Amino acid sequence: RKEVEQDPGPFNVPEGATVAFNCTYSNSASQSFFWYRQDCRKEPKLLMSVYSSGNEDGRFTAQLNRASQYISLLIRDSKLSDSATYLCVVNDYKLSFGAGTTVTVRA
Amino acid sequence: GAGVSQSPSNKVTEKGKDVELRCDPISGHTALYWYRQSLGQGLEFLIYFQGNSAPDKSGLPSDRFSAERTGGSVSTLTIQRTQQEDSAVYLCASSSPRLADTQYFGPGTRLTVL
Repeated sequence: RKEVEQDPGPFNVPEGATVAFNCTYSNSASQSFFWYRQDCRKEPKLLMSVYSSGNEDGRFTAQLNRASQYISLLIRDSKLSDSATYLCVVNDYKLSFGAGTTVTVRA
Repeated sequence: GAGVSQSPSNKVTEKGKDVELRCDPISGHTALYWYRQSLGQGLEFLIYFQGNSAPDKSGLPSDRFSAERTGGSVSTLTIQRTQQEDSAVYLCASSSPRLADTQYFGPGTRLTVL
């Protein structure tokens, strides 16, 4: 089983829509979690950390469910610029990356 | 300020040749990581340097891969006797002691082995 698994998508949504996706992780002792964003042919960049109580950053909301070992990301009011691959990341002293969920926002 | 830099940005080589990829981390960052990303795949951890500690080489796929970090700063990833399956983007990242969880990535080196 992979350490971090994601639905690859793609999620194709119209501007203004809400899109949400999850990732699951295998190590129940994992302590810190992140969402990174990767644009085509670019390096990954940190989008947001994921806190136990859930957290928001503008239109982005991240949730952590330790019991079921999954992390979610929700994007509200999607913009064209949100089109990217979103990488779920678990930190077990080294970062373990999911393969990414591709989101395409269309006009 | 200056971010993580990598060179070359692109490298095309013939099967069987050796290649060296370079990473300059952000100044003051004590941790340095190498990852590999094959087309359409997620990032695969290769090696991790933290300060003067022995590196974590657990992700290196074979003994053809090695890495060094000189003076706690610049790192070189060397691939000997390259194979076609080594073709990928090799990404370097660094993080600071205060924000160890946050890694900053370089633009990567796209390696193509013919």
